Amino acid sequence: GESVGLHLPTLSVQEGDNSIINCAYSNSASDYFIWYKQESGKGPQFIIDIRSNMDKRQGQRVTVLLNKTVKHLSLQIAATQPGDSAVYFCADSGAGSYQLTFGKGTKLSVIP
Amino acid sequence: AAGVIQSPRHLIKEKRETATLKCYPIPRHDTVYWYQQGPGQDPQFLISFYEKMQSDKGSIPDRFSAQQFSDYHSELNMSSLELGDSALYFCASSDGDEKLFFGSGTQLSVL
Repeated sequence: GESVGLHLPTLSVQEGDNSIINCAYSNSASDYFIWYKQESGKGPQFIIDIRSNMDKRQGQRVTVLLNKTVKHLSLQIAATQPGDSAVYFCADSGAGSYQLTFGKGTKLSVIP
Repeated sequence: AAGVIQSPRHLIKEKRETATLKCYPIPRHDTVYWYQQGPGQDPQFLISFYEKMQSDKGSIPDRFSAQQFSDYHSELNMSSLELGDSALYFCASSDGDEKLFFGSGTQLSVL
């Protein structure tokens, strides 16, 4: 079936800079999107989510942007810290199913 | 706050053996999901349960089965284990919406 995918497998940023992690999805029926952070040996940890009736949602130091026209999702992390180093996954669901389909992760490395 | 609890944390089995993974969802969560994550891979959906009934099925092999019990905990039973079954197995729970909370996973190694 269709799945969510990521453009870049790795991203290195300087501590204090902003990070942008991108995600492209193909399922036009998707109406819910979520970002997870996964540290080594741990389970995915919820960061932020957004529904398809919104374009932007902000959390603490994180912002998710949704562009339904081009089926693109991004996660922005402000003032990136060493503790932000992890693999970030986007996932989506829709069409009446609550099952999440994960995209390929992006490994974020923060350079002190 | 209570989280999703999985046991065991690590499991080592031989080929053709069986394994049982357990998952205890967050209190008052009625939906449980099982995911498999290979090394460097994204989590792949296996199966889900809502109110003790199977609600959705993904890429779960016929050798695997799962169920949800009256206390909402779930068990993933894996038989005739193969080398390719070595992976991290995650359980997630929700209270009826799409926001899933994941456990720390069970690392299964098949030798």
